[in-house]
Amino acid sequence: GESVGLHLPTLSVQEGDNSIINCAYSNSASDYFIWYKQESGKGPQFIIDIRSNMDKRQGQRVTVLLNKTVKHLSLQIAATQPGDSAVYFCAENEAGSGGFKTIFGAGTRLFVKA
Amino acid sequence: GAGVSQSPSNKVTEKGKDVELRCDPISGHTALYWYRQSLGQGLEFLIYFQGNSAPDKSGLPSDRFSAERTGGSVSTLTIQRTQQEDSAVYLCASSPEGGLYNSPLHFGNGTRLTVT
Repeated sequence: GESVGLHLPTLSVQEGDNSIINCAYSNSASDYFIWYKQESGKGPQFIIDIRSNMDKRQGQRVTVLLNKTVKHLSLQIAATQPGDSAVYFCAENEAGSGGFKTIFGAGTRLFVKA
Repeated sequence: GAGVSQSPSNKVTEKGKDVELRCDPISGHTALYWYRQSLGQGLEFLIYFQGNSAPDKSGLPSDRFSAERTGGSVSTLTIQRTQQEDSAVYLCASSPEGGLYNSPLHFGNGTRLTVT
């Protein structure tokens, strides 16, 4: 079936640097994309989302970019901090029998070096 | 406001036994989802409920898996005759509008199931 995947399984960055986490999706009909952060022992937490009628959206220290032409999504974290160390998942909503269901990619583990 | 609550947080069971996992969604959230996460892996969709609509069961891996949602609130995921490959973290999530509109999910911390 359709899937959402990631280019890099792990990413190591120096504290203070910017991080970029990439994601490729295959369902061209998807029109809503979300990034989640998962810390050890916890469920994923919402970070930022973007709809297909946008190509960029900014939050606090985070920016999501969407390139529908190549079906690519990225999460940029500015001035990465040790607390940003976690696994990051991209996800897309696809139509299901009762509405939309959220499908997750494999995840990227971010290590922040002090 | 409490978040999504799951119980138990950890469950160890013997192969062949049945288990029930419980999820209390955020009050007022109409959609409820179950996912499975194996160690170091992504989230595998299992099932979701949206209001009074028939649930989308397309992700359930076998007929040993079933889920109910009573009164539009609490949900129970049941695994019958557990196998070792069922060992994973089972995550529940809810959202306010669920499948009708695009909105992010609110997750519980999961139930870690170990089948020995």
